[in-house]
Amino acid sequence: GEDVEQSLFLSVREGDSSVINCTYTDSSSTYLYWYKQEPGAGLQLLTYIFSNMDMKQDQRLTVLLNKKDKHLSLRIADTQTGDSAIYFCAEVISGSARQLTFGSGTQLTVLP
Amino acid sequence: DGGITQSPKYLFRKEGQNVTLSCEQNLNHDAMYWYRQDPGQGLRLIYYSQIVNDFQKGDIAEGYSVSREKKESFPLTVTSAQKNPTAFYLCASKREPQGNEQFFGPGTRLTVL
Repeated sequence: GEDVEQSLFLSVREGDSSVINCTYTDSSSTYLYWYKQEPGAGLQLLTYIFSNMDMKQDQRLTVLLNKKDKHLSLRIADTQTGDSAIYFCAEVISGSARQLTFGSGTQLTVLP
Repeated sequence: DGGITQSPKYLFRKEGQNVTLSCEQNLNHDAMYWYRQDPGQGLRLIYYSQIVNDFQKGDIAEGYSVSREKKESFPLTVTSAQKNPTAFYLCASKREPQGNEQFFGPGTRLTVL
């Protein structure tokens, strides 16, 4: 079955690193995504990782994928107040039409 | 300036009325999607369309209808049969159905009074 889980809230101090975690249950996932949603807005694609990779880095963002544990994380280095938002992880299943399956989102609050 | 537009941003309707939410894209994308977002929940797929004149039900299609008469347009009608229509509605598109990047519109917040 398909299920993506995230913790609902995370608070960090400005300048610290943030780590947002996600677990998924479908081992046939091909791509895993991280989206950012600011208040009252649509979703912005931050980055994605193919299932045959274990790490991807893009400026302040680092994605780690542990396929054995079905665990995905997003690390934001030097977190800024502008990073405060909801972060969604999502997966795409191989062969599906699709269409993303989303986690419930993690509300990141950056404290000054 | 390419992108996805949704209108209106805020919409209020009385209970029992049908309402249509607009979604337009000028990205020349084949696939389009409608999601519903409720507080504390992820996005749930309502309907999707992989090509003009074709669409499929998503996970929560009951009480909704769509059409895809033009490539750039994918309107969503929330009917009176939808039991709890108040939500944030997001439209998205992809270049092709198997593509990797799904782009989202800014959303429409529907409130049923």
